[in-house]
Amino acid sequence: ETGVTQSPTHLIKTRGQQVTLRCSSQSGHNTVSWYQQALGQGPQFIFQYYREEENGRGNFPPRFSGLQFPNYSSELNVNALELDDSALYLCASSYSNFYEQYFGPGTRLTVT
Amino acid sequence: KNEVEQSPQNLTAQEGEFITINCSYSVGISALHWLQQHPGGGIVSLFMLSSGKKKHGRLIATINIQEKHSSLHITASHPRDSAVYICAVRSGNQFYFGTGTSLTVIP
Repeated sequence: ETGVTQSPTHLIKTRGQQVTLRCSSQSGHNTVSWYQQALGQGPQFIFQYYREEENGRGNFPPRFSGLQFPNYSSELNVNALELDDSALYLCASSYSNFYEQYFGPGTRLTVT
Repeated sequence: KNEVEQSPQNLTAQEGEFITINCSYSVGISALHWLQQHPGGGIVSLFMLSSGKKKHGRLIATINIQEKHSSLHITASHPRDSAVYICAVRSGNQFYFGTGTSLTVIP
């Protein structure tokens, strides 16, 4: 059973650009959540997908969007990058909301 | 005001000491999570609970739904317990996180 993986590990982008981050869920997990963690802060909830449908969203603007695929892998897309988007982006998968989440190692995004 | 408050923010303990980290929340919840984050960012889920008490090895988590409060206890602390401990709650379709408690256990 493989764990949750994320790619890339690190990424540097310029303000105004677009970025796509990827997450591969643990086998059998149909729920994936994405979180943003700024340096020295706790994570903040971006959104959650369950069986390819968004079923929860935090206080993030529409330029943060996502997809979940039939194999339950997932993408986080961020358009028009801003300097404040620099953070660690974490995904976590689970069987459903009633089970524990398994976190990936994160993608460190730096926007210059 | 944050929906989830943790205390203390920072904690230093001698190896072997009993440690308590507290979490209070202000929203209705369906579950509360305790997470451990090591330097470098990796997060591990320690507990998910909605009532009562859970125990894994030297770690114990309790929750009091009426008082909207949870505690994480570490018995016989060890330097390898040094990490940031984060409390998170699920409320409806939202997740709210505390800012974390940074624990350092000195040999």
